Amino acid sequence: NAGVTQTPKFQVLKTGQSMTLQCAQDMNHNSMYWYRQDPGMGLRLIYYSASEGTTDKGEVPNGYNVSRLNKREFSLRLESAAPSQTSVYFCASSELTGRTGELFFGEGSRLTVL
Amino acid sequence: GENVEQHPSTLSVQEGDSAVIKCTYSDSASNYFPWYKQELGKGPQLIIDIRSNVGEKKDQRIAVTLNKTAKHFSLHITETQPEDSAVYFCAASIQGVGGTSYGKLTFGQGTILTVHP
Repeated sequence: NAGVTQTPKFQVLKTGQSMTLQCAQDMNHNSMYWYRQDPGMGLRLIYYSASEGTTDKGEVPNGYNVSRLNKREFSLRLESAAPSQTSVYFCASSELTGRTGELFFGEGSRLTVL
Repeated sequence: GENVEQHPSTLSVQEGDSAVIKCTYSDSASNYFPWYKQELGKGPQLIIDIRSNVGEKKDQRIAVTLNKTAKHFSLHITETQPEDSAVYFCAASIQGVGGTSYGKLTFGQGTILTVHP
């Protein structure tokens, strides 16, 4: 019962390098999200996908792109990494409709940009 | 946009004591208020939530209260145990008509709770 799986768990990049964070969920959820977590700032929404085939910007989308590859997978790409993107990134999923709004989070991907 | 303020940033209690964490929100249209617990090295996990048509909700040792007029809500943990030690986040969002739910949450800054044996 994997839930939400993120890869990689740790990554160190140099300024200007690119990388993609991968996320997959096995709960047949329609909606998927990428959040970043920084000390003293809580979690902030980067991008989300309400359903397969759609993506929308969240609170802090600059410097990121996303792809909803299929219902299970939602990737986050940094085209030209900057030190300000050093953070812990969390992928989450939820039902689009339902009695609760519960988000199911992965265990996070810790990214350091030098 | 929505802004959620959470206090205190750290909270230290003795085992068996109660703990209270408070949050305020700015957007009066917000109608869904969850609380998440994050253990070290893990992702946040929902522990309780409340909707704007309810003033209080309890689940065993945890309870949440909501004051819509003042735009604040609180988490209460009674009879704290060492395993309650974690980071707690409040959040707010607007849920659509008909029960549709959206994970576009605005989170508070988090509270590090430490329960001493």
